[in-house]
Amino acid sequence: DAGVIQSPRHEVTEMGQEVTLRCKPISGHNSLFWYRQTMMRGLELLIYFNNNVPIDDSGMPEDRFSAKMPNASFSTLKIQPSEPRDSAVYFCASSGGLDNSPLHFGNGTRLTVT
Amino acid sequence: GNSVTQMEGPVTLSEEAFLTINCTYTATGYPSLFWYVQYPGEGLQLLLKATKADDKGSNKGFEATYRKETTSFHLEKGSVQVSDSAVYFCALRSGGYQKVTFGTGTKLQVIP
Repeated sequence: DAGVIQSPRHEVTEMGQEVTLRCKPISGHNSLFWYRQTMMRGLELLIYFNNNVPIDDSGMPEDRFSAKMPNASFSTLKIQPSEPRDSAVYFCASSGGLDNSPLHFGNGTRLTVT
Repeated sequence: GNSVTQMEGPVTLSEEAFLTINCTYTATGYPSLFWYVQYPGEGLQLLLKATKADDKGSNKGFEATYRKETTSFHLEKGSVQVSDSAVYFCALRSGGYQKVTFGTGTKLQVIP
């Protein structure tokens, strides 16, 4: 079990550029979550998918953020255009569909927008 | 809606001290409850879980009991080590599509 794989681990970009974060969930998991973590706001749920379908995107900050899950083994979170306030650690997590299934987190992508 | 409330941190303890981190929750139905731990530079990892009232989850010397009557899931450890220094998150999972709700996290620092 390779765990949840996120790429890149670190991303530094300039304001206005497009940023794409990638996630490969654990095989067989049917729920996928994107979180953002900052010192000021803590851990925030951005969006989550069930069976590749977005279920709740109410945490997506604004239209600059978009997420896709084209198949069960891949998801992307895109920010276009990026702004300095988007700087944070972005985590992807996956789980089975039962309500007693824990989340398995990746190691995150640390995004810095200058 | 569902919510999780954790005690404010940071918590600073001496090695071998007793640890309690309080967690209370509000939820509809019968949630499953979890404690996660986050070490610096890493993602959250499951520490323990309990799926029904009076269940006790345990792992690595940590314990927490699902108390439905007080809607609590307090984390305890009898003797902490420096290596336990981390941020601890209480969470619940319940409701349609099994949405997960996290507390704000409690930072624990253990000093030798």
